[in-house]
Amino acid sequence: GAVVSQHPSWVICKSGTSVKIECRSLDFQATTMFWYRQFPKQSLMLMATSNEGSKATYEQGVEKDKFLINHASLTLSTLTVTSAHPEDSSFYICSVRILAGRTDTQYFGPGTRLTVL
Amino acid sequence: SQQGEEDPQALSIQEGENATMNCSYKTSINNLQWYRQNSGRGLVHLILIRSNEREKHSGRLRVTLDTSKKSSSLLITASRAADTASYFCATNAGGTSYGKLTFGQGTILTVHP
Repeated sequence: GAVVSQHPSWVICKSGTSVKIECRSLDFQATTMFWYRQFPKQSLMLMATSNEGSKATYEQGVEKDKFLINHASLTLSTLTVTSAHPEDSSFYICSVRILAGRTDTQYFGPGTRLTVL
Repeated sequence: SQQGEEDPQALSIQEGENATMNCSYKTSINNLQWYRQNSGRGLVHLILIRSNEREKHSGRLRVTLDTSKKSSSLLITASRAADTASYFCATNAGGTSYGKLTFGQGTILTVHP
């Protein structure tokens, strides 16, 4: 399967600052990546679909001006949490969409734990 | 968007026993996938079953799919302590969903040595 990395693996920041999280597809060119958020002991919630060379598509209830997504190349998507607040503290996970024949699946990065003080 | 439900929410068993987790969903799907997540880590893809398939095997894993009941089950046979993790089902609606996955709430599996 595809190898996906995220950087940083964890970050602590002060309220009001912005944080950028990188998601890299190391061995596969990904036209589509996804960003998820996971609160403790909960499931993954899709935030947005990141499309290479075009604007991201956000899920209902996700503020696009707060969670900026840039998918500038086939191997890199970034999520910037702007003016972060404590309620943004969460585990952020990206994934790479893999289409192979009739198989449509995703491979996930290791996640980034964000703590906003 | 659809939300899968999984049961049980938590399952505690002894090594060597089998573990069965169930997943239900609400709308039509193209495929259903099972993932595993160790505490505080990313997800590992376990198995994918298409809507026209009823059963699939991969090593100690057996997945069934009943589209008439909109449900799936994951069976782990001869469990090991290393199988301790959270397990999620995720559905892919296909079509214009462009690969989006909707995750169930997950089952926390604990295997005691």
